[in-house]
Amino acid sequence: SQTIHQWPATLVQPVGSPLSLECTVEGTSNPNLYWYRQAAGRGLQLLFYSVGIGQISSEVPQNLSASRPQDRQFILSSKKLLLSDSGFYLCAWNDRNSPLHFGNGTRLTVT
Amino acid sequence: EDQVTQSPEALRLQEGESSSLNCSYTVSGLRGLFWYRQDPGKGPEFLFTLYSAGEEKEKERLKATLTKKESFLHITAPKPEDSATYLCAVREADKIIFGKGTRLHILP
Repeated sequence: SQTIHQWPATLVQPVGSPLSLECTVEGTSNPNLYWYRQAAGRGLQLLFYSVGIGQISSEVPQNLSASRPQDRQFILSSKKLLLSDSGFYLCAWNDRNSPLHFGNGTRLTVT
Repeated sequence: EDQVTQSPEALRLQEGESSSLNCSYTVSGLRGLFWYRQDPGKGPEFLFTLYSAGEEKEKERLKATLTKKESFLHITAPKPEDSATYLCAVREADKIIFGKGTRLHILP
């Protein structure tokens, strides 16, 4: 069966520090991969998605970036965090037209 | 303009009091509408996929229906454990776009 791993679960970082969140999927090949952010009182905002290695589509221009160095690995990064980057970050995957399956999320607090 | 709009934002019901949550969408050529349940501090959990108007799906106390413009999530005789945020999403090409959700609270 397929599983998705996302870490860390919680993270507290100072403004201006770098960020790296990692997500891996097991049990499938060539999945579509997604990064969402959920701010307090708001819905899930799509940040990036990827339909294959090296293919990244950005939905929201900001100081975040994403990379897919391997088929089942998706990384969300920032060189310098802003206070507004605080939120709940969710990684998800699907196969073609199937529903999304989510990881357990990372709670990021920028101080 | 939001492509997926959910209402109400929040709903409080007594245990056993049935109700419906609404999801309206504006994407053309719908290729799937999804309902998810999200508990605090966790990732969303998939409930249903609907593809065409008139389609219905059921799971325990939940039933999802779809028209050409909106979807409803009906909850029958809810229990306190049904308390959660319910999210609606639609597929647009390779993207899946979510509404802001309905926070449902069932009082015992």
